[in-house]
Amino acid sequence: GQNIDQPTEMTATEGAIVQINCTYQTSGFNGLFWYQQHAGEAPTFLSYNVLDGLEEKGRFSSFLSRSKGYSYLLLKELQMKDSASYLCAVLDSNYQLIWGAGTKLIIKP
Amino acid sequence: GAVVSQHPSWVICKSGTSVKIECRSLDFQATTMFWYRQFPKQSLMLMATSNEGSKATYEQGVEKDKFLINHASLTLSTLTVTSAHPEDSSFYICSARDLGQGEVIAFFGQGTRLTVV
Repeated sequence: GQNIDQPTEMTATEGAIVQINCTYQTSGFNGLFWYQQHAGEAPTFLSYNVLDGLEEKGRFSSFLSRSKGYSYLLLKELQMKDSASYLCAVLDSNYQLIWGAGTKLIIKP
Repeated sequence: GAVVSQHPSWVICKSGTSVKIECRSLDFQATTMFWYRQFPKQSLMLMATSNEGSKATYEQGVEKDKFLINHASLTLSTLTVTSAHPEDSSFYICSARDLGQGEVIAFFGQGTRLTVV
């Protein structure tokens, strides 16, 4: 079966760094996505990785290791507005998006 | 950037009536649109995938006669919740991508909060 695992909830302090991990087992792989979803809102696109390595985009970076079936989203200089759920999703061999359950990130002052 | 517009943002309807939700891609052609449902504090649940000009593919457990999906053009898909009941109250979200242009990123509409009373 297809499976994506990510922690249910994480807590971090404003100004700090947090890493949200995602592991996956899917039928084929055509890339991994990270989306941010604030409570009561729709998800917004953060990053897309299809090759191994680190992609940096401002305060957010995303890493992928295809051989390990592993990705992480790194958030630096945390701000209160970063409190949200972070969704990991994999595009399988049929170009279907397989979603993780999301990680709720709580930022404390 | 790619913009997906979904309307209405929220709707309240009486039990037994039907509600139509529209999803439009504003600056790209959406060869594929996805419809999701999300209950409070739960993850996204894919309801169906629709490709322009063809019938939607529904996920297991989703009643196709209750949730009517039309994707008649490359920029518009609609979801109609027929004979809505209180248990259909949820957050409905569409997303769209243009795989025909090699674009794998799916962009989301703003979502529609449906309350059936």
